[in-house]
Amino acid sequence: DSGVTQTPKHLITATGQRVTLRCSPRSGDLSVYWYQQSLDQGLQFLIQYYNGEERAKGNILERFSAQQFPDLHSELNLSSLELGDSALYFCASSGVSGNTGELFFGEGSRLTVL
Amino acid sequence: GNSVTQMEGPVTLSEEAFLTINCTYTATGYPSLFWYVQYPGEGLQLLLKATKADDKGSNKGFEATYRKETTSFHLEKGSVQVSDSAVYFCALRLIQGAQKLVFGQGTRLTINP
Repeated sequence: DSGVTQTPKHLITATGQRVTLRCSPRSGDLSVYWYQQSLDQGLQFLIQYYNGEERAKGNILERFSAQQFPDLHSELNLSSLELGDSALYFCASSGVSGNTGELFFGEGSRLTVL
Repeated sequence: GNSVTQMEGPVTLSEEAFLTINCTYTATGYPSLFWYVQYPGEGLQLLLKATKADDKGSNKGFEATYRKETTSFHLEKGSVQVSDSAVYFCALRLIQGAQKLVFGQGTRLTINP
């Protein structure tokens, strides 16, 4: 158990809809990262938050947005969903001290867009 | 740009065979290098890491050496077990102080008894 909790584990929705994925980082971790894992694209970095502020942005579509709340949990909002958005979305967290580079991953939220 | 290229899978081996999964990278500066493993139905977890040239990371019988001259970080294990069946990801960290990781495509490993 990594200590990172993601909900929901599975989500099935239709094209054009909007969903919200939630992530609770490990206790004490200030950084949260979102990654998208799809068969053809591999693991793609979407966005990072540190203590409520956006720290780094990757290949995140304009239809997607994220935020980190004062209690450090994070939400990834996906809107106007397309078939190609079907993927496994991972949240990861990391601590403040030591640039170890280790990220702790949740088990992922599997999104299926029909 | 900064990227990681992994040996394409899937890879299927018999138990006790020798394993090599190749990983090469392209990066500006001197990145830290990592291998993560994803067991079925789980999230990724760190397997081993190396932060500078000639460092060797090791864990659970796996090893990888940071080779700056060949920009490589190949994963090896002398005798694999069925429980090693998983997807393995090579990754690099680009920026000191920020912990964004760039991952390779992943290599699916299946070990047959």
